[in-house]
Amino acid sequence: EDQVTQSPEALRLQEGESSSLNCSYTVSGLRGLFWYRQDPGKGPEFLFTLYSAGEEKEKERLKATLTKKESFLHITAPKPEDSATYLCAVQAKKAAGNKLTFGGGTRVLVKP
Amino acid sequence: DTGVSQNPRHKITKRGQNVTFRCDPISEHNRLYWYRQTLGQGPEFLTYFQNEAQLEKSRLLSDRFSAERPKGSFSTLEIQRTEQGDSAMYLCASSGWQAAAGANVLTFGAGSRLTVL
Repeated sequence: EDQVTQSPEALRLQEGESSSLNCSYTVSGLRGLFWYRQDPGKGPEFLFTLYSAGEEKEKERLKATLTKKESFLHITAPKPEDSATYLCAVQAKKAAGNKLTFGGGTRVLVKP
Repeated sequence: DTGVSQNPRHKITKRGQNVTFRCDPISEHNRLYWYRQTLGQGPEFLTYFQNEAQLEKSRLLSDRFSAERPKGSFSTLEIQRTEQGDSAMYLCASSGWQAAAGANVLTFGAGSRLTVL
């Protein structure tokens, strides 16, 4: 069974204080690893997808990296508007359609 | 296109009542998914449609739950004889190719929050 574990569960940062979120996964053949952002009361919003170990993607203050067993989401010099829950998900090669298996998320709070 | 639309956004019901949620996916997407999310947890897969065919159902989808997508467009998720444990956010997503991402990406609606008293 595909599993995704995210750590830490929650993260409090001062504005400008860079940090990293971890996503460990086990999957029977990885098709892709996805990062989403979720604001309170809203649905998840797509950020990145990574396919192979060594791949990196960047968007503003966020950078996602991938190894064979985990992915990291680096937040550089965060701002209060980066406060959200960040969700990691895997898509298995055998997955029906584009089905994703999600981790529990990391709740990030950036204080000014 | 305004994205994935879900209705109602909030539903409060008494234990034992039936509830139905509707999802209107992005029009050109033929794949549609239902997920459930409880407070502080990630979304959990419930079921998946390609056009009108329901191709996969999770063990989480007990016999009190039924999902349909009759014409391959909108979908409904019905919960019969609701229980307090059904309280959650029910998320709908549809998937399609996003050229910028170079991937088939699930686009989620804002969800329907169910509270069972």
